[in-house]
Amino acid sequence: EVVMTQSPATLSVSPGERATLSCRASQSVSISLAWYQQKPGQAPRLLIYDVSTRATGIPARFSGSGSGTEFTLTISSLQSEDVAVYYCQQYNNWPPVTFGGGTKVEIK
Amino acid sequence: DVQLLESGGGLVQPGGSLRLSCAASGFTFSDYAMAWVRQAPGKGLEWVSVISSSSGATHYGDTVKGRLTISRDNTRNKVDLQMNGLRAEDTAVYYCARLSRVYGIAPLGRYMDVWGKGATVIVSS
Repeated sequence: EVVMTQSPATLSVSPGERATLSCRASQSVSISLAWYQQKPGQAPRLLIYDVSTRATGIPARFSGSGSGTEFTLTISSLQSEDVAVYYCQQYNNWPPVTFGGGTKVEIK
Repeated sequence: DVQLLESGGGLVQPGGSLRLSCAASGFTFSDYAMAWVRQAPGKGLEWVSVISSSSGATHYGDTVKGRLTISRDNTRNKVDLQMNGLRAEDTAVYYCARLSRVYGIAPLGRYMDVWGKGATVIVSS
């Protein structure tokens, strides 16, 4: 099973500043990497798939990069509505597909 | 609108059974593989099970194998999760999710592009 490790666990960022979230895989997952956003009390929402492709309706301030075992989600200018937990997920080596433990993004 | 709506959650005693259902609308249900993902209180996401578009293939996470059974009815646009031998550690919000398609096919190892709002299952005496 591929273990996904996210860091940091919590990220405090001032409004308008950049937020950088990391996700590491225990073995290569090629470009089969997705990111989800989960706001308090809500279901997860797909943000990015195939490392860097934004899902429908996702603002351009969200971007993804990386390959192999190291991946990054960047929020270029943090907005108040971006407060959420963000999860990465690999779907290259399955079953099972596996999720990271999440990074909580809060406003400083 | 593409929608998934779970139902059937509730409180059940350890060792008991529960059946979750997920009603799909707004898309051609039979074209997509479907999955269940759960989230224990205050914890992260855990993949539970997946079923192919035609029900020909199913897979389960190790923690639920042999106790949970996924099924679907393409005539009624729904996917179910039969949960037997429930344990306290099965307490979670269970999400129904649609797996994305690629190149006109619906493989099982994909990301989830549509999620339901979730159904809460509490296993407690």
